[in-house]
Formats: sequence, C-alpha cells, structure tokens
Amino acid sequence: GNSVTQMEGPVTLSEEAFLTINCTYTATGYPSLFWYVQYPGEGLQLLLKATKADDKGSNKGFEATYRKETTSFHLEKGSVQVSDSAVYFCALRHSGNTPLVFGKGTRLSVIA
Amino acid sequence: NAGVMQNPRHLVRRRGQEARLRCSPMKGHSHVYWYRQLPEEGLKFMVYLQKENIIDESGMPKERFSAEFPKEGPSILRIQQVVRGDSAAYFCASEGAVSTDTQYFGPGTRLTVL
Repeated sequence: GNSVTQMEGPVTLSEEAFLTINCTYTATGYPSLFWYVQYPGEGLQLLLKATKADDKGSNKGFEATYRKETTSFHLEKGSVQVSDSAVYFCALRHSGNTPLVFGKGTRLSVIA
Repeated sequence: NAGVMQNPRHLVRRRGQEARLRCSPMKGHSHVYWYRQLPEEGLKFMVYLQKENIIDESGMPKERFSAEFPKEGPSILRIQQVVRGDSAAYFCASEGAVSTDTQYFGPGTRLTVL
C-alpha cells in the first residue's frame, strides 16, 4: 500500500540554521507529493507541492524536489526563523478527489 | 471567501455520550474528507463524502462512527457511545469538484473523552 516515512523529531535548530526534513514514500505509479505545516493549536496549511518527477515545490523559503529515483521529497530551508517552529507533515495522493496519506510529522523548534 | 469552518473547536464528553462534529466546507466545494489525528501521530483518513453521498469510508471504524454530508448544511461526523480512545483531533478538509489537487483544512475539533 501507500505510505510516507518522515524523519523522527523533534528537531531543534538555532535561528538562521539550515533545515532538512527527510521524507520518503512508497506508492505505485506517480503520486503527487505535499508538505503541510501545522502551527500550535491550528489546522494544517499547505506549504508546497509537486505533481511529477523532478518538479520543485517552493514557498516562503522552503523547497522540496520530487525525486522519483530515490522516492523522496525532502524539505529544505536555507535559514530558519523562530516563526517556523511548527509540525511539518509530508503527504501523498494519487489523483484529485482521493484521500491524502500522511507521514507522522516532524516537530521543529527554532530557538533565538 | 471564508475558509473551512469546524465547530466546536473543543468538545468534552464523558464515556458513553455522543459527539457531533461539524464541518462547513469552503464556498463552492462539494467534497469533504475527515481525518483523525491521535496524539503525536500523523493524520489518518476516515471518510470521504460528496453532497448526499459517502464515497469512501474505508478508514472509519465500522461501529459507533457515522458521517453525512446533506444537500443543505454542514458535514457531520457522529461518534456514538464515546470511549477514551476516541480522544483526538478531528480535521476536515474540502476540495472542489474540479480538483486542483489541493485539500484545504479546517482548524479541527479537539475531542476529549473523560
């Protein structure tokens, strides 16, 4: 079946540090890949997405590249801020109007 | 354009009571998904509905749980005879009929069963 595996958290970084959160997936065919972010006490917000191999999604300084050969979609940011502290979820889906399959989430804490 | 609305935001029930969670999708959206988030876990799919139809309920427990999305009004997730293990955050997401490949999430309902 389809599944998503994320690196275990929590991840604690100092402000302006480089961030990588690893995400790999198992799926048949060519799913779309997503990163969602959940701030404390809130729902999930779409951070970025990629719909086909070699696509790069980007938003708010975050980037992730759809790597078909390694079945990965790692999230990166060059310089994190305290306001980036949140839980980050990697997810996949096969086509529109189907459920998302989520990883367990990675909690990021950025300290000043 | 208002986002996805859920209410109540917090719900406390005693074991054996019923819980009703409501979700109003974004304007113009006719597809609703319900997910459950257990503590320190990711979101797990429960049920997918379109107006007046359940499309996929493969993630929903067979007993005590039910969902509906009537022609008028919000989608309702109903949990009968709640148990402590039902304590979780319940999120709904909506999507338009012409899929843009993006689901928009509500703020969630945090259910606590005493």
